[in-house]
Amino acid sequence: AQSVTQLDSQVPVFEEAPVELRCNYSSSVSVYLFWYVQYPNQGLQLLLKYLSGSTLVKGINGFEAEFNKSQTSFHLRKPSVHISDTAEYFCAVSDEGTGGFKTIFGAGTRLFVKA
Amino acid sequence: EAGVAQSPRYKIIEKRQSVAFWCNPISGHATLYWYQQILGQGPKLLIQFQNNGVVDDSQLPKDRFSAERLKGVDSTLKIQPAKLEDSAVYLCASSLGGRRYEQYFGPGTRLTVT
Repeated sequence: AQSVTQLDSQVPVFEEAPVELRCNYSSSVSVYLFWYVQYPNQGLQLLLKYLSGSTLVKGINGFEAEFNKSQTSFHLRKPSVHISDTAEYFCAVSDEGTGGFKTIFGAGTRLFVKA
Repeated sequence: EAGVAQSPRYKIIEKRQSVAFWCNPISGHATLYWYQQILGQGPKLLIQFQNNGVVDDSQLPKDRFSAERLKGVDSTLKIQPAKLEDSAVYLCASSLGGRRYEQYFGPGTRLTVT
């Protein structure tokens, strides 16, 4: 069965420090992977996505993620965070099932950047 | 291009009352989604439309929730009667269709049931 696990519910980090938000998924078929960010009182917006090709994907705001098929992971990283990166981050996996495709979201990781 | 529009942004109702939410997707987007996001959780899909048709409504509590998408464009989600546990943010999203396309989200409607 398809599932997404975000291993950390909250990640506090100091400004200009690096950060990694972890995401693992399970699926029996090939998947497409996404990271979304949600700022307070707003909808989700796409940070980056992996469809195929290079396993290192670069997104907006200096974020990148690496797809690791053997470990079924898609961890999000940023080498130096800013206060403005404080938000909720969601990993999502989309695969093909009976009746069409399904997209499942993880529970989210709250990134809190401290000055 | 204009984003996904939702209204109202906030709604407070008493339990057993009814409520309706409206969504206008991005022009040309064939797929429309309604999600329920409870505080501290990820979005949970309630219903997915492809044009006018329902693709997935397996997690929609059909005894109280209903949704429609008229003419393959705007959509409404209704709850009747509401329960306390329905308090959540209801997100509408749209996409071009197919699993490779990202979803574009509206700002959501925050529902409080008292």
